[in-house]
Formats: sequence, C-alpha cells, structure tokens
Amino acid sequence: GENVEQHPSTLSVQEGDSAVIKCTYSDSASNYFPWYKQELGKGPQLIIDIRSNVGEKKDQRIAVTLNKTAKHFSLHITETQPEDSAVYFCAASLPGGGNKLTFGTGTQLKVEL
Amino acid sequence: DVKVTQSSRYLVKRTGEKVFLECVQDMDHENMFWYRQDPGLGLRLIYFSYDVKMKEKGDIPEGYSVSREKKERFSLILESASTNQTSMYLCASRTQGIETQYFGPGTRLLVL
Repeated sequence: GENVEQHPSTLSVQEGDSAVIKCTYSDSASNYFPWYKQELGKGPQLIIDIRSNVGEKKDQRIAVTLNKTAKHFSLHITETQPEDSAVYFCAASLPGGGNKLTFGTGTQLKVEL
Repeated sequence: DVKVTQSSRYLVKRTGEKVFLECVQDMDHENMFWYRQDPGLGLRLIYFSYDVKMKEKGDIPEGYSVSREKKERFSLILESASTNQTSMYLCASRTQGIETQYFGPGTRLLVL
C-alpha cells in the first residue's frame, strides 16, 4: 500500500517568515494530495489539495507543489501569522479503492511573535 | 456547514470494558471513516463505510469493530478495551466521489 513520509515533525518560524513542509509518497499511482490543518482541540480541516495533473496550486498565502518524478509534494505558507500555528498533515490517495487517504505523521508548526 | 459530531470529547475506561464511540454527520454523506491519531504516527485508518450496513477494514482494524445502521451514524466498538488502545479517535465523513473529508473534534480515550 501507499506510504507517506512527512518532514519536519516540528517547525518554528518567526511571524512574517515562510514555512515549508515536505512529504514523500511511495506509490507512483497516487493521484490526489490534500493538506489538512488541525488546530488545538479540533479535528483536521482541509486547507488545500492538488491532483497529479497539476504541478502547483495557490490559495492566498498557501501553496502546494507536486513533483511526480521525485514523488514528493510540499506545502508553502508565506507571511506566517500566529493563527497559522497548528499541526499540518499531508496525505495521498490512490485512484479507486474508495479513495482512502494515507496520512503523513504531521508537522507541529509554531509561529512566534 | 458540514457538522460531524462525536459523542464524547474525553472518555476513561477500564481494561476489558466494551467501549462504544459514536459519530454523527448531518450532511447526508455516504462515506464515513474512523481513524486513530497517535503522536509520531499521524492518522491511521481503522475502518470505513461506503454506505449503510457496509464496512471495510482499514489499515489497523485489529481489536475494533464498527456498525452503520443509519446513514448519519457510524459507531466504533472496542470489544475488550486494552491499554494500547489509549488514543485520540477521529471520525470523518464525505460525499461519495468527492475526496474532501470532514472531521469531527475527536474523542480522547484513556484505557486504564
């Protein structure tokens, strides 16, 4: 089955700096890559996703890039703010099979004032 | 707004007890999921359900069972709770064919 590795496990940045979280996946057939944000005491919430036919996607201060050849994808957050502090999970999904998501191990992002 | 609710935020149980975790969604979603979340391990899929009375094993089904008698409700059952089942349990739902999953707030279970 699919395996997703995520780095780093913790990330601390100064407010206004950029943050980058990286994930690699094992199965080249995976075609859907979402990113979820989990705030303290809440369940994860989708913030952005990308499909395998696209190399990059942006939504305001967040962007995701996908390198299918290397089988890795990254989340980029620019101009970080304190409310960006949360745990971020990447995931990958194979086509069919119920589109089950395989999640990475999570990154605790802390944005310091 | 999609709402996924879980019956308890915190639960403390004894080893050997039968434990029921309930999840309810209000968006008529066909698919529902149960995950457990552990530090350093991320979210791991326990069971999922495509529709009423349907269930499929996820990656770590051992020690768990599920029930989906109504479309809006998906129950996770620990037949005989063990200390290694102490964890955060997350329920999610989605519309069939749409990948976005909507998560509940989680139930933190402590088995003593």
